[in-house]
Amino acid sequence: DAKTTQPNSMESNEEEPVHLPCNHSTISGTDYIHWYRQLPSQGPEYVIHGLTSNVNNRMASLAIAEDRKSSTLILHRATLRDAAVYYCILRDQNYGGSQGNLIFGKGTKLSVKP
Amino acid sequence: SAVISQKPSRDICQRGTSLTIQCQVDSQVTMMFWYRQQPGQSLTLIATANQGSEATYESGFVIDKFPISRPNLTFSTLTVSNMSPEDSSIYLCSVDSVNTEAFFGQGTRLTVV
Repeated sequence: DAKTTQPNSMESNEEEPVHLPCNHSTISGTDYIHWYRQLPSQGPEYVIHGLTSNVNNRMASLAIAEDRKSSTLILHRATLRDAAVYYCILRDQNYGGSQGNLIFGKGTKLSVKP
Repeated sequence: SAVISQKPSRDICQRGTSLTIQCQVDSQVTMMFWYRQQPGQSLTLIATANQGSEATYESGFVIDKFPISRPNLTFSTLTVSNMSPEDSSIYLCSVDSVNTEAFFGQGTRLTVV
């Protein structure tokens, strides 16, 4: 299974941008890059995903390197509510409906200081 | 999007007993998924539940310990059988959207004493 590498933890100040890195050097051509986050005492929630091009939604932006071996989740203005564990996951676009390849690593624990 | 309701949200159980966790989705889905999250750890997939067929278990998980039911396209249950303290975890159910996003319930926090 394709693997990702993320820093264990990061800190940010409130209302400042946050760049969460993820390395995925063994990514295959059919792997989408997904980001989820898990707020304290909640189930994971979907943040964003992309294949090759940078992606934006109301929650965040995803910047994907040209060689696709790394990506960065960008929170434009961190709030206290963004404190969570952020998971970067590779998911084969030919997943056939299975979540067997939705493999959660340890993720990055983001702390946001007021 | 999908809204997933899990019951109970938490429970404290005696060792040797069993607990059944319910998962209700607000739309019909083909597959439902059950995860375990041990204290301080990440999520691990237990099994995939398809309506009308037996669940498919991941390596390290067996039907006798974690029987699953899937009576219709919006509902599933996971039973944690003959519990021991090592079963103390958060159990989550999940479904996929057509756009490959996964949606998760809030989880059931189980403590076995």
